[in-house]
Amino acid sequence: GAVVSQHPSWVICKSGTSVKIECRSLDFQATTMFWYRQFPKQSLMLMATSNEGSKATYEQGVEKDKFLINHASLTLSTLTVTSAHPEDSSFYICSARVGATDTQYFGPGTRLTVL
Amino acid sequence: DAKTTQPTSMDCAEGRAANLPCNHSTISGNEYVYWYRQIHSQGPQYIIHGLKNNETNEMASLIITEDRKSSTLILPHATLRDTAVYYCIVFTQGGSEKLVFGKGTKLTVNP
Repeated sequence: GAVVSQHPSWVICKSGTSVKIECRSLDFQATTMFWYRQFPKQSLMLMATSNEGSKATYEQGVEKDKFLINHASLTLSTLTVTSAHPEDSSFYICSARVGATDTQYFGPGTRLTVL
Repeated sequence: DAKTTQPTSMDCAEGRAANLPCNHSTISGNEYVYWYRQIHSQGPQYIIHGLKNNETNEMASLIITEDRKSSTLILPHATLRDTAVYYCIVFTQGGSEKLVFGKGTKLTVNP
């Protein structure tokens, strides 16, 4: 199957700082990528849809100015958590859609801990 | 909201077949049935998907009832590494629909 990577796999930061998470499709091009968040013992919640070359589409309740998404190329999308606070601590997961079948392949996730 | 219903948890003996059911009684004609699984602290892994016909790949088999209102994911010889949360999702290809994850089924494979 298609391979999606994320970097870093985990990050610890101080409250008020910004953190950037990268999502890459390694063996295919993805015009659309997705960002999810997962809190402990809960299911994945979609945060935003990232389209190459255009603005991301955010789900209701997700602050676009806090969670900045950039999809500058067909293989890279980045999520920047700005002015992070402890309540932003979560497991962030990206996925990329393979065009032919619309099947989404997921990255391994990034564990963010804000102190 | 998820359009599927799955049991909260299931157990299976190592080496035996694991049969995971999913109800999707309101599925529409152009919606596919997708299965993903999530091993603890990892991103979801794509398993298989289908529309009407039964499907098989190297990981699993997907059996869809004739009326398409339910399906079963079969892991033919479960191993301890198959312990995970399994998600059944209905999804329309080619549109703007998004994957919606429900609570899934926690499958525990016991030695």
